[in-house]
Order: sequence, then C-alpha cells, then structure tokens
Amino acid sequence: AQSVTQPDIHITVSEGASLELRCNYSYGATPYLFWYVQSPGQGLQLLLKYFSGDTLVQGIKGFEAEFKRSQSSFNLRKPSVHWSDAAEYFCAVGPIGGGNKLVFGAGTILRVKS
Amino acid sequence: EAGVAQSPRYKIIEKRQSVAFWCNPISGHATLYWYQQILGQGPKLLIQFQNNGVVDDSQLPKDRFSAERLKGVDSTLKIQPAKLEDSAVYLCASSLDPGATYEQYFGPGTRLTVT
Repeated sequence: AQSVTQPDIHITVSEGASLELRCNYSYGATPYLFWYVQSPGQGLQLLLKYFSGDTLVQGIKGFEAEFKRSQSSFNLRKPSVHWSDAAEYFCAVGPIGGGNKLVFGAGTILRVKS
Repeated sequence: EAGVAQSPRYKIIEKRQSVAFWCNPISGHATLYWYQQILGQGPKLLIQFQNNGVVDDSQLPKDRFSAERLKGVDSTLKIQPAKLEDSAVYLCASSLDPGATYEQYFGPGTRLTVT
C-alpha cells in the first residue's frame, strides 16, 4: 500500500542553522512527491513538488528537496533557517486511485530557537 | 485572487449533535476536496468532487458523514450524529483539475471539538 513516513515528530534547530526533514515513501511506480507547510491556524501551503527530471527541486522560501529513488526518500532541506520557518511540514505522495489523490505523512513540527 | 474560504473556523458541539461545515473554493477550480486532520496526523482525504460529481469517497464514514457540492461550486460537509473521535480540523482544498500534477490550495480549516 502507498504510504509516507516522516520519522521525526519534532525537530528543533537554531536560527541560522541548516535544516533537513526526512521523508520516506512506499509507492509502486514513479511517484509524484510534495512538501507542504502548515503554520498554526492556517491551511497547508505547497513548498515544492517533484514529478520527473532533475532530482533536486527548488521551492519557495529557500527550500529544496532531493528525490532519491534508491532510498525511497524525498528529504527537505534549507541551508539557513529563519524564525518564521517554525511550522509543521508534511510530505505527500501520489497519484493514488482513480481520483489521483495524495497520501500525507504525519508531519514534522519544526521549532526554531534564537 | 481570493483563496479557499471556510466557515465556521471553530465549532464545539456535544456528542450525538449534528454539525455542518461550508467551503467556497477558488473561482474556476473544478475539483474540491474535504480532508480530516486529527491532531498528530496528516490530512486524510474524506471526499473528492469533480464539479458536482463524487470522484472518491472511499474513506468517508457514510453512516454519519455526508457532503454535497451543488452547482459545482460551494460545498458542505455534514456530520450527524457526531462522535468524540470526530474531533479534528476539517480542511477544504480545491484545484483546477483532478490529478496530482495540479496544486491543491487549502483553506484555513474548521476546528471541531466534540465533547
């Protein structure tokens, strides 16, 4: 069955430090992969997506992610974290089923300390 | 461009009561999604509409949940009767077309507490 695992429930980093959030997926074919961010009281916002081609994708807010087929991973990175990056981050995989839906991971809460 | 609108933002009800949530998608978006997000979990798709037809409702608890999208625009999600385990944030999203290649735009959600 298709699934997404985000191994880290919480991560705390210092402002200005680098960040890597892990995402592993289970999918029978070449997946479409997404990272969304959710700030408190807000809906989800798309950070970046991978469909095909270059395995390193750039997104908004200075984020990037690398698709590694051999490791079934799609980790999110940022070289220098800002306090405003504190939020919850969700990895998602699709398309699944006739409606081409997405399956989301459980999320990783990022805390940024000054 | 206005985003996805949802109301109410918060709702507290007692178990066995009924509740309804409303969603207005981005203008021109044919596909509308309702997700349930339980605390500590990622969003789970409840139902997906393409215009006013249902594409996927495989995870909708149909004995208590219902949804409609009249005229292919606004949508309502209803729970009757509510159970304690229905406490969650209900997110509405829309996209231009069905398919994972099309970005889903999310509303702010309705936080439901069932006591």
